[in-house]
Amino acid sequence: AQSVTQPDIHITVSEGASLELRCNYSYGATPYLFWYVQSPGQGLQLLLKYFSGDTLVQGIKGFEAEFKRSQSSFNLRKPSVHWSDAAEYFCAVAASGGGADGLTFGKGTHLIIQP
Amino acid sequence: NAGVTQTPKFQVLKTGQSMTLQCAQDMNHNSMYWYRQDPGMGLRLIYYSASEGTTDKGEVPNGYNVSRLNKREFSLRLESAAPSQTSVYFCASNGQLKETQYFGPGTRLLVL
Repeated sequence: AQSVTQPDIHITVSEGASLELRCNYSYGATPYLFWYVQSPGQGLQLLLKYFSGDTLVQGIKGFEAEFKRSQSSFNLRKPSVHWSDAAEYFCAVAASGGGADGLTFGKGTHLIIQP
Repeated sequence: NAGVTQTPKFQVLKTGQSMTLQCAQDMNHNSMYWYRQDPGMGLRLIYYSASEGTTDKGEVPNGYNVSRLNKREFSLRLESAAPSQTSVYFCASNGQLKETQYFGPGTRLLVL
């Protein structure tokens, strides 16, 4: 079965600084990978996804992620964070079928933005 | 389009009571899902329905039942609520394979 590890429970970043959130997955075949963001009391919004092709994917709100098969990683990056980026971030993986049988989520990383 | 809607938004139950969480989508999606979110646990799949008329267990199905009423609606039922079922419940849907899963706003359930 597939699994996702987000090693950092909390991360604090100063406004305007760069950001990298880590995600490692375990899956035998080529995975389908996702990053979602959840603002307090809200549902989940998709930031970006990787299915195949170019390993650097661009998402909404200035986020990008890079798929590295050799490291089983799909880290999320942003060059300059804004106070509005404070939220919970979830990495997720889908098995065969591109997610038709559901997603497996990591436990999340809580992002705190310092003024 | 409203996307994925869930009712109720918040519910308090006593142990042993039953209730049904409702979910509807207006995007003509084939697949629908129920997840629960607990602090420090991320989201875990309870049940899913890959198409109208089919349902399958996810990672944590015990204590729950589901009904895919039609293509639009997918309900989650707790027959005898337990405090361990206190959680935030999210419904999601997606259309064709490899498409994005869209999430509803969630239902916060407290079981006393």
